[in-house]
Amino acid sequence: EVQLVQSGAEVKKPGESLRISCKGSGYFFSTYWIGWVRQMPGKGLEWMGIIYPGNSETRYSPSFQGQVTISADKSTSTAYLQWSSLKPSDTAMYYCARHPGGFDSWGQGTLVTVSS
Amino acid sequence: QSALTQPASVSGSPGQSITISCTGTSSDIGYNYVSWYQQHPGKAPKLMIYDVSYRPSGVSNRFSGSKSGNTASLTISGLQAEDEADYYCCSYTSSSSWVFGGGTKLTVL
Repeated sequence: EVQLVQSGAEVKKPGESLRISCKGSGYFFSTYWIGWVRQMPGKGLEWMGIIYPGNSETRYSPSFQGQVTISADKSTSTAYLQWSSLKPSDTAMYYCARHPGGFDSWGQGTLVTVSS
Repeated sequence: QSALTQPASVSGSPGQSITISCTGTSSDIGYNYVSWYQQHPGKAPKLMIYDVSYRPSGVSNRFSGSKSGNTASLTISGLQAEDEADYYCCSYTSSSSWVFGGGTKLTVL
């Protein structure tokens, strides 16, 4: 069974750094794109970026380029989303999802709260 | 990259059919890589349709997808109470990225 398990909820202060994770299992992690999606409170889905773990090729939405960094460690079947300096506007639920053709499997989401 | 355009809300009675539209441009919907997602409150999205009209295994055949020009559509037939949810379209773009629609809230009356 394909599973993506994300790290737990985080509460951070503005200016702090953060890395959240998404661990895949039940499939060959290196050969499927993994995307990240933001959902702000009460709002819709926003595509942030995507990575191919096999060669770490990464693409970003123009809205998120330079704001976050996406990476992956194929040895541990884990993808990451990180911020170097969080803002209150980063408060949201973040999902990872596998993409073979459509985002077919999703993580449970990681809630990130940024507040002073 | 602008979000794809979806109606904010649609509604229908049990047993009826409804259609949700998703309008973009030749730079996104123009590709045959449109997918649709269902999201119930507090849950992760679920893939319902990929590559315009293909249903993943396990998704009811009451859900179907199509495309005409730069508008994709999701049709749900035989509406059921459990179909009440938010629905999002998503498309690959000419920038080698993806973009979601703004979402449509489906109410089953």
